[in-house]
Amino acid sequence: EADIYQTPRYLVIGTGKKITLECSQTMGHDKMYWYQQDPGMELHLIHYSYGVNSTEKGDLSSESTVSRIRTEHFPLTLESARPSHTSQYLCASSETRSSPLHFGNGTRLTVT
Amino acid sequence: RKEVEQDPGPFNVPEGATVAFNCTYSNSASQSFFWYRQDCRKEPKLLMSVYSSGNEDGRFTAQLNRASQYISLLIRDSKLSDSATYLCVVPNNAGNMLTFGGGTRLMVKP
Repeated sequence: EADIYQTPRYLVIGTGKKITLECSQTMGHDKMYWYQQDPGMELHLIHYSYGVNSTEKGDLSSESTVSRIRTEHFPLTLESARPSHTSQYLCASSETRSSPLHFGNGTRLTVT
Repeated sequence: RKEVEQDPGPFNVPEGATVAFNCTYSNSASQSFFWYRQDCRKEPKLLMSVYSSGNEDGRFTAQLNRASQYISLLIRDSKLSDSATYLCVVPNNAGNMLTFGGGTRLMVKP
């Protein structure tokens, strides 16, 4: 019943490569979020968007960037991947700022 | 005071036990509260909302204590499949978005 999709599911890439993690949702939600989570650790908000052409940085400083050109699409880009970027990246969306978040199944990134 | 705090656990309980987790929050004007479940290496999934009057869904009961600013999750008759990390979600101090607690890990043993 997934209404929010992330691709790729797994990505292994070498240092210095540019990567884009895709996130799309079909629920028409204005609010979208990117979280970073290491195994066994808590979620860290790295970017969020409250609508088209609106993006903000989250609590955790990240070298990644995001864009929101269409309501349904919220891609995250790393211009030059480094081993420290190895982590799981989770995308989520919500109807309002106080509505529960719906998560995609994540992208597990490994930078060698 | 931190926006949200949870005991990280782990809580190790036998099958059939009743276990309860608390989660404290700092924004006294908070209106929306949720419990999520996260399995190892999976995405968090909404378990239940927390209403002022409390709510129950099968073996799970969620309650809100506004005076002491905490929410709780009670699991009765624990199953092996309940083993997971339970995340509480509350409004941040600015009240402009929801924030996740660090999670409480539950391990149910045979």
